[in-house]
Amino acid sequence: EPEVTQTPSHQVTQMGQEVILRCVPISNHLYFYWYRQILGQKVEFLVSFYNNEISEKSEIFDDQFSVERPDGSNFTLKIRSTKLEDSAMYFCASSLDGRNTEAFFGQGTRLTVV
Amino acid sequence: AQSVTQPDIHITVSEGASLELRCNYSYGATPYLFWYVQSPGQGLQLLLKYFSGDTLVQGIKGFEAEFKRSQSSFNLRKPSVHWSDAAEYFCAVGSISNFGNEKLTFGTGTRLTIIP
Repeated sequence: EPEVTQTPSHQVTQMGQEVILRCVPISNHLYFYWYRQILGQKVEFLVSFYNNEISEKSEIFDDQFSVERPDGSNFTLKIRSTKLEDSAMYFCASSLDGRNTEAFFGQGTRLTVV
Repeated sequence: AQSVTQPDIHITVSEGASLELRCNYSYGATPYLFWYVQSPGQGLQLLLKYFSGDTLVQGIKGFEAEFKRSQSSFNLRKPSVHWSDAAEYFCAVGSISNFGNEKLTFGTGTRLTIIP
């Protein structure tokens, strides 16, 4: 069964460093998403991406964040200068189209900023 | 703006007992509703979804949920739980943006513990 894969599963970084979280969506999917879950809190939408551009982003997704689909298979989330409060589980998801279809989630990357 | 409330943070049930997890939503239009399950160290797996039609939807692993518009609820049920059902359960509502993509708003989750 096709699945969304995320690497690494756990990343520890120092405050102020840049991190790139990687995702390989399901190959024929067209919409891509990043969500995050701070420990003990709800899963929150960060950004959606379609046709090589951001289609929607939340208030959380400020200038420190960026997304890219560099090579047609990977989908990355970059945090330019990490803060302690960026520590969270980051989930990538993809869907075949933008509505009425299931979003498939990866297993997540746990980011710890120290 | 849409929102989802899961009033029960933690529920403990005995193996073989029935289960109902509550979910209430707030959304201006006809909602798309989902239940996801997250086992420890795993990602989010879709249990079931409601888009339209029959208000009682069947999902995987023997779960079902009923959409009740009058109560703005989408409660998840299972007649007999198994130890493997121990996990975190998330209710979510989908909203369509101007670009046609569906964004999910999640509840805070309900942690299910199964006792022998």
